[in-house]
Amino acid sequence: GENVEQHPSTLSVQEGDSAVIKCTYSDSASNYFPWYKQELGKGPQLIIDIRSNVGEKKDQRIAVTLNKTAKHFSLHITETQPEDSAVYFCAASKSNTGKLIFGQGTTLQVKP
Amino acid sequence: DAGVIQSPRHEVTEMGQEVTLRCKPISGHNSLFWYRQTMMRGLELLIYFNNNVPIDDSGMPEDRFSAKMPNASFSTLKIQPSEPRDSAVYFCASGLGYEQYFGPGTRLTVT
Repeated sequence: GENVEQHPSTLSVQEGDSAVIKCTYSDSASNYFPWYKQELGKGPQLIIDIRSNVGEKKDQRIAVTLNKTAKHFSLHITETQPEDSAVYFCAASKSNTGKLIFGQGTTLQVKP
Repeated sequence: DAGVIQSPRHEVTEMGQEVTLRCKPISGHNSLFWYRQTMMRGLELLIYFNNNVPIDDSGMPEDRFSAKMPNASFSTLKIQPSEPRDSAVYFCASGLGYEQYFGPGTRLTVT
C-alpha cells in the first residue's frame, strides 16, 4: 500500500536560519500533498498544500516543492522564528474523498 | 467559523467501560475522518465517511471500535469495552474536496 517516509525526525535550527523537511511517497498515483503543523496539545493544522500539476507553491515564509518523477516533496521554512517550533507532518493522497497517508513527523526546534 | 468541535477534550475511564467520543464537523463539509495518534504509531486513520456514508473502515483496530454518522453535523466513535492500549489522542477531521481540517482532539486514558 501507499507509504510516506519523512526526514529528518528532529531538526534544530537557529532563529533566522532556514529549515527543510523532506518526504518521499511510494504510490505514483498520489496527486495531493499537504503539510500540517502540530503544536503541543493541539490538532494538526493545515499550513500549505500542493497538487501534482504544479512544482512549487509559496505562502510568505513557507514553500513546498514537488518532484513527481522522483516521488518526493519538501517543505521549506525561511527566516525561522521560535513560534515555528512544532511537529510537522507531510501527507499524500490520491483521491479527493480523503485517506491521507501521513509521514512520521519532524520535530522542529527553533532556538532564539 | 467554529472549526471542528470535539467532546470531551479529556476522558479518563476504567478498563471495560464504554467510551463515546463526539465530533461536529465544519458546516458544509462532506467528509469526516477519525484518526488516532500515539507516540508509537503516529497518526492512524481509523475510518472515514463521505456524505455520511462509511467509505473505508479498514483502520478500525477491532470490533470493539464502532463509528456512526447519523447526519451531516454529528459523528461518534465508540469503544466498548475499552482497554488500556486504547489510550491515545483521537482526532476528528472535517473535509471538503482534498483539504482536511482537524479538531482539537480527545485525550483518552484507560486505566
